[in-house]
Parts: sequence; C-alpha cells; structure tokens
Amino acid sequence: KAGVTQTPRYLIKTRGQQVTLSCSPISGHRSVSWYQQTPGQGLQFLFEYFSETQRNKGNFPGRFSGRQFSNSRSEMNVSTLELGDSALYLCASSLVGRSLEAFFGQGTRLTVV
Amino acid sequence: KNEVEQSPQNLTAQEGEFITINCSYSVGISALHWLQQHPGGGIVSLFMLSSGKKKHGRLIATINIQEKHSSLHITASHPRDSAVYICAVGDDKIIFGKGTRLHILP
Repeated sequence: KAGVTQTPRYLIKTRGQQVTLSCSPISGHRSVSWYQQTPGQGLQFLFEYFSETQRNKGNFPGRFSGRQFSNSRSEMNVSTLELGDSALYLCASSLVGRSLEAFFGQGTRLTVV
Repeated sequence: KNEVEQSPQNLTAQEGEFITINCSYSVGISALHWLQQHPGGGIVSLFMLSSGKKKHGRLIATINIQEKHSSLHITASHPRDSAVYICAVGDDKIIFGKGTRLHILP
C-alpha cells in the first residue's frame, strides 16, 4: 500500500513568487492536513481538508491557501513568498481526520531566497 | 507561556537506559498525541491518549487529565530510538510542543 506522497521534496523560490505543493494521500483516505515546521516555531497546523471541503484552518495569513480534489489529492499554495516561509511543509492523511492518528508524508522543504 | 510545554528539550542517554519525556498543557483537550520525527523529516504517530496509559512495544504513554500532564517512557532504550519526540493536543486545531531531541549513545 503506497504511503503519503508529497511533491516536490525540495524547492527553492525567490521572494515574491508563488509556490504550489502537492500531497497524494493513502488510497481511501479522505482527510488531508497540512503543517508547517520551522526551527523557531516548530510544527504549526495550516489547514485540513475533508471530501474537498476545508474543515479547519490555523492562524496563517491569507497568502496560504489550499484545495482538495475529488480523488482526495490536495495542493497548498503560498503566494507572495517571504523569507520566513522557508520551512518543511508536511501533509498527513487519514480516513476521517480531526486527529493526528494519521500517516505523514516526508515533506517538502521550501527555501525562499 | 506556550500552551504545550515539553521537557527536557534535549536528552542524551546511554543505550539501555529508561527514558522519560514530559508534556504539560494548559488548554482543555479530548486527546493528546505523541509523535516521533526522525532526521530527514518523516513523522510517525506513536500514541493518541484520552485517559490512562497505552503501551506499544518498549514505549509507554500516560496521561493525567486533571493535572494536564502526559509522559512518554522508553524502556531499554536503543540508538534507533534517537529522534525528536513531539507532544500535540487539540481536536480541530492541533497545538504542538517544541519537541524533545533524544540521542541514545551505543
């Protein structure tokens, strides 16, 4: 059974650009959650999608957005990148969500220069 | 004050030692989670607790809801246990501790 796949694994972008990250959940899982991890702030919850609907959102500015497709794959987008957006972005999938009893992807490491 | 506090921040121990990592929280919760993150970033969910104690192999997690405190214990520690252990609480919006970096020396 394939795990959670995040692409790309590494990304370098310039300030002001936008970026789209992808997460393919485990087959059958309908919930995808996104997290940001930085050395200073640690792990922070970004948002959760379930059956194509955003169910919860963390305290991030509107530059951070996401969506989920009918096949449960999810994308997150960050517009007008800032240096502080450099982080490891992790997604996790689960059957019904609202829990960390989930399977995590390896993450996408984003560097903003 | 952070809503989730972990201690210690860093811990180095010899192989075979009994390890305890603590987590205190200030918010009301229905469940607490322990996660393990290895170098390279991959995270594994270890336990979800709402009361009492859970055991999986050499790992034991306990929670005291009244005292808002949880502990993660590792018995007979091994170098492969070296990782960052993260405590997290919340339902709809998860709040994470800063993590405890554990290094087990052979």
